[in-house]
Amino acid sequence: LAKTTQPISMDSYEGQEVNITCSHNNIATNDYITWYQQFPSQGPRFIIQGYKTKVTNEVASLFIPADRKSSTLSLPRVSLSDTAVYYCLVDPQTDKLIFGTGTRLQVFP
Amino acid sequence: DAGITQSPRYKITETGRQVTLMCHQTWSHSYMFWYRQDLGHGLRLIYYSAAADITDKGEVPDGYVVSRSKTENFPLTLESATRSQTSVYFCASTRGGYQETQYFGPGTRLLVL
Repeated sequence: LAKTTQPISMDSYEGQEVNITCSHNNIATNDYITWYQQFPSQGPRFIIQGYKTKVTNEVASLFIPADRKSSTLSLPRVSLSDTAVYYCLVDPQTDKLIFGTGTRLQVFP
Repeated sequence: DAGITQSPRYKITETGRQVTLMCHQTWSHSYMFWYRQDLGHGLRLIYYSAAADITDKGEVPDGYVVSRSKTENFPLTLESATRSQTSVYFCASTRGGYQETQYFGPGTRLLVL
């Protein structure tokens, strides 16, 4: 079971780039890395998913080094509306679907 | 397109009572999940279902019962509610397996007195 480790919280200012790193030392060969975002009083929502190297969509980028033991979610030019909790999820093929406690991002004006 | 809905959104009950939380999705997704979210614990999987009439335990199944007679519905029942089950409950679904994007409902906030 691949356990993930993320920083508990991060602060940033509007317009800055934010990078949130997730460690997953025991990731299995077939595991994907998925990131979710959760606003207060809402369910999590999918941001991005990747397997290796780099993935980019309209919201974020995901960087995965060759050893895949970590991954970095990059949010370009954050705004106040990006204040949320971000979860890194790996090993979803098990019946545990471990989300962890996530990283609480606070964006200041 | 309603997506995935949960009812009720808020519920107050007393210790020992039976409570059923409803989850309904309109996408005909195969997989459905129930999570609970508590401060300091993140999201923890209670039960999941791969298809109608197929259910299995997650990380924290004790005290909960699920059923899935129809693909679109996945009710979660607390047979005898306890205070430790006070939590926010989220239902989610995926089109196929675990690797796919999970779509979450708005949550049910449950208070057990």
